[in-house]
Amino acid sequence: QQQVKQSPQSLIVQKGGISIINCAYENTAFDYFPWYQQFPGKGPALLIAIRPDVSEKKEGRFTISFNKSAKQFSLHIMDSQPGDSATYFCAATFSGNTPLVFGKGTRLSVIA
Amino acid sequence: GAGVSQTPSNKVTEKGKYVELRCDPISGHTALYWYRQSLGQGPEFLIYFQGTGAADDSGLPNDRFFAVRPEGSVSTLKIQRTERGDSAVYLCASSQPWESPEAFFGQGTRLTVV
Repeated sequence: QQQVKQSPQSLIVQKGGISIINCAYENTAFDYFPWYQQFPGKGPALLIAIRPDVSEKKEGRFTISFNKSAKQFSLHIMDSQPGDSATYFCAATFSGNTPLVFGKGTRLSVIA
Repeated sequence: GAGVSQTPSNKVTEKGKYVELRCDPISGHTALYWYRQSLGQGPEFLIYFQGTGAADDSGLPNDRFFAVRPEGSVSTLKIQRTERGDSAVYLCASSQPWESPEAFFGQGTRLTVV
């Protein structure tokens, strides 16, 4: 049973465009939803995270939108740059001592 | 150290051999996690330590996999009788859960079983 479903699997965006990646979760007990960015040969690095008590969180060009009733959350990358080309993973967990449950990832390519 | 350190970066071993993968977490982090990442997939949970004890080992695929953290800092993931299907990137992460749920990952160990 896949607890976090992520789409699309891959995404090509023009430089300056908006990249949108979506995730859906099943366990309503999850209360922490991070997005990780991973470059080839590197470990995942935290990009931005949200808790379900807010519907949106913005950090620079990165925004998480959260819909608790639909059990969905999405990552928006504004003004996408070639340096944003990487694999993005959504994840979910219970705050405290529990491991992250990851989506399968989205490979983003930003082309000039 | 400044970040989570994993050694070796790459490991090639023959089928049937025993391997050990090491993780050195961020100093002071009490929680340590092992994940396995297959090509084109997200990280999958293997085992989680809080201090020296394994709080959750439900992700270990079988009894060939074992992990220890004897002094509550460095951890070693041990794989016996390796199989070709064990080939993957093994990621370690650490956190200080009572302060923040943010997990910091190492660069991983790429294991190839030939």
